[in-house]
Amino acid sequence: GNSVTQMEGPVTLSEEAFLTINCTYTATGYPSLFWYVQYPGEGLQLLLKATKADDKGSNKGFEATYRKETTSFHLEKGSVQVSDSAVYFCALSGFGNEKLTFGTGTRLTIIP
Amino acid sequence: GAVVSQHPSWVICKSGTSVKIECRSLDFQATTMFWYRQFPKQSLMLMATSNEGSKATYEQGVEKDKFLINHASLTLSTLTVTSAHPEDSSFYICSAIRRVSQETQYFGPGTRLLVL
Repeated sequence: GNSVTQMEGPVTLSEEAFLTINCTYTATGYPSLFWYVQYPGEGLQLLLKATKADDKGSNKGFEATYRKETTSFHLEKGSVQVSDSAVYFCALSGFGNEKLTFGTGTRLTIIP
Repeated sequence: GAVVSQHPSWVICKSGTSVKIECRSLDFQATTMFWYRQFPKQSLMLMATSNEGSKATYEQGVEKDKFLINHASLTLSTLTVTSAHPEDSSFYICSAIRRVSQETQYFGPGTRLLVL
């Protein structure tokens, strides 16, 4: 079955540091890949997505590239801000299947 | 737009009682809603898929008689935990897919259930 393995947290960084949160997946076929973010007290929000190999999803300064050869979808941001503090979830859905499989989530804290 | 609410945000109940959790799409019609369960420091686990006007489809290992799901309208789905026990204590999250765009799931803020 499908699975997502995500970098364990918590991760604490200083403001303006470079961020990488690793995500690898196991799936049959050609899944779509997602990063969701959950800010304190709020629901999960879609941060970015990629639907085919070599696609790059980007939003709010975050980027992730769909790497089929390494089955990875690592999340990166060049300069984090305090407002980026949240829990980040990597997820996938199978081709033609709207069901999502989530990673365990990574709590990110940015200190001024 | 695309806001999903859940009510209540948290609930404490006695063992043996039933608890109903509501999931509403506030500004769009949702043909499909999903119910997830999240244990501390673990992934969101899909419990069931709910389509308006039809019976919910439960994931393997989820007891449909224990977790009753009703999706009576395009903006409301309910999850009822029947005869709750302490092991049902968890964080329950719903999501919804817009009727006009079948791509993105919009998530509610979650409901924390504690069964004493």
